[in-house]
Amino acid sequence: EAQVTQNPRYLITVTGKKLTVTCSQNMNHEYMSWYRQDPGLGLRQIYYSMNVEVTDKGDVPEGYKVSRKEKRNFPLILESPSPNQTSLYFCASQPLSGGTNEQFFGPGTRLTVL
Amino acid sequence: AQTVTQSQPEMSVQEAETVTLSCTYDTSESDYYLFWYKQPPSRQMILVIRQEAYKQQNATENRFSVNFQKAAKSFSLKISDSQLGDAAMYFCAYRSEINSNYQLIWGAGTKLIIKP
Repeated sequence: EAQVTQNPRYLITVTGKKLTVTCSQNMNHEYMSWYRQDPGLGLRQIYYSMNVEVTDKGDVPEGYKVSRKEKRNFPLILESPSPNQTSLYFCASQPLSGGTNEQFFGPGTRLTVL
Repeated sequence: AQTVTQSQPEMSVQEAETVTLSCTYDTSESDYYLFWYKQPPSRQMILVIRQEAYKQQNATENRFSVNFQKAAKSFSLKISDSQLGDAAMYFCAYRSEINSNYQLIWGAGTKLIIKP
């Protein structure tokens, strides 16, 4: 089944404790992206990647890191989480050639930073 | 910078009736894509319908259709014969054809309530 997976789905952590949210897609998509969703704000892009080893900042990159060492994986790293990073996080992927211009989303990760 | 506005935080409709969700956007570009996504309580983002700006014909997917008014920068979603399973948050999103980062710009969402 073609899908985007994220782990963990739920995470409660404390301020300053490094964490990684994993994202993996099995559709051989070149493009991957991370968004955060906050009430009343819709989704905002954190980082994106056009292909392996090619990443760039979105609108809200502060406090986050990413890497793209393999085409299928795009982990989101919070080196020192803070309470303002409490949010719902989505990973998405999209083919850059052919396709339907549709971004496919993972199931979301609910992160709480205490 | 592009912006997307959904002016209805919440809408309700009787089951089997028709409801229209509003979306306006601001852009100086002529080529772009517009999307409606559905987010049920499961939180999964599900694409409902898409529209290419160069196409004059309004997109339709079964009970879902859009009214795309390019000059007015309006992109409303009409849901016909509303069903209980349509209850969800609905998000309007914009994507530039020119901007190479493929970023989706999102509205704040409209919560749709279906009354049985």
